[in-house]
Amino acid sequence: DAGVIQSPRHEVTEMGQEVTLRCKPISGHNSLFWYRQTMMRGLELLIYFNNNVPIDDSGMPEDRFSAKMPNASFSTLKIQPSEPRDSAVYFCASSFWTRLLDRGTYEQYFGPGTRLTVT
Amino acid sequence: GENVEQHPSTLSVQEGDSAVIKCTYSDSASNYFPWYKQELGKRPQLIIDIRSNVGEKKDQRIAVTLNKTAKHFSLHITETQPEDSAVYFCAATITSGTYKYIFGTGTRLKVLA
Repeated sequence: DAGVIQSPRHEVTEMGQEVTLRCKPISGHNSLFWYRQTMMRGLELLIYFNNNVPIDDSGMPEDRFSAKMPNASFSTLKIQPSEPRDSAVYFCASSFWTRLLDRGTYEQYFGPGTRLTVT
Repeated sequence: GENVEQHPSTLSVQEGDSAVIKCTYSDSASNYFPWYKQELGKRPQLIIDIRSNVGEKKDQRIAVTLNKTAKHFSLHITETQPEDSAVYFCAATITSGTYKYIFGTGTRLKVLA
């Protein structure tokens, strides 16, 4: 199992440019999470999907951020236009979740992250 | 909504000593509490978790205790080693709800050789 795959691993862009981060969850997982990590704010949940449907996007900072999950094996997080304060490490995580309490481990498996620098 | 507080923010211990990290949560409906370890430049990885129907869980040198009445849970690492140096995050979630982890702010643990 390759684990959660994220691309690119590093992204340097200029303010105002569009940035697209990509994630491939672990096969068979039905939940996908996008997190942002900074020294100041720690690990913040931006949005999560269950069965490809966005369940909670209350952590998305503003309209410049958007996320999609067109199928069970792919998700994107887009920032347009990017700003220097968006510089952070963005993690994607996946898990298998069900409302049946005895199913699944609830563990979220994190990808390696994308380090974004906006100059 | 749920809020998780974590203390201390930094912790230094001598190799071989024990380390304890504490978290409190606000939503009494929370029923799953994982702990993640993040080494420098790496991804967070689960090291131990506990569900609300047990009070303690142990895995070799690490253990987690849960006090539902007081709404706090703790990570205990015994016989610390230099490779335990990392940032540790606690989290809380309601598995029958929206299944969102609410993470604590992290504890940077340094084990001094």
